[in-house]
Amino acid sequence: QLQESGPGLVKPSETLSLTCTVSRGSVSKYYWSWIRQPPGKGLEWVGHIYYSVSSSIYNPSLTSRVTISVDTSKNQFSLKVTSVTAADTAVYYCARGIDCGGGSCYITWGQGTLVTVSS
Amino acid sequence: DIQMTQSPSTLSASVGDRVTITCRASQSIGSRLAWYQQKPGKAPNLLIYKASSLETGVPSRFSGSGSGTEFTLTISSLQPEDFAGYYCQHYNDYLVTFGQGTKVEVK
Repeated sequence: QLQESGPGLVKPSETLSLTCTVSRGSVSKYYWSWIRQPPGKGLEWVGHIYYSVSSSIYNPSLTSRVTISVDTSKNQFSLKVTSVTAADTAVYYCARGIDCGGGSCYITWGQGTLVTVSS
Repeated sequence: DIQMTQSPSTLSASVGDRVTITCRASQSIGSRLAWYQQKPGKAPNLLIYKASSLETGVPSRFSGSGSGTEFTLTISSLQPEDFAGYYCQHYNDYLVTFGQGTKVEVK
């Protein structure tokens, strides 16, 4: 139901751009999130957008470099990370979240896409 | 920021064992906690939300408990398909934080 797409290789200092296509359901409801996982490491929440209230929040450690946006005409949402370094190398997952009682937990995930930052 | 600390990092167990994983929050988070299972090369799968609510379709051998700062995920009788990674996740209106993960491996 969710499918990530975008370049698998990005050069240092450039912008990482990924898109998640939602094949069932509308992006006009729910939380839409990006979560990443460096190779061999744990999960790191990047941020999410709650379209119906035009509200997006980001991981404080990434907030100056990250933008998540929604395109309702294409039923997609996107991630941009600027000024990337090797530390941004990770499998990036898009996920659909629901309100689990005071915040979002994630019930549907894409398969993940590996993005490597290297020259 | 709220920190989530899981223990142990690795747990060795056998089929049929009762397994418990702990997640501690650096400050009280009420019941705003979820648990996920992740198998190698796959996306995580939601098991528990609101600390103790079982997600639809998840086997009843999985259970969650706790509130405030200490939470547990219990697998009552470990099955072969349960050898995997497990993550806790705190959520609120402003932030999402994952624990560092626990790997359940074959003893």
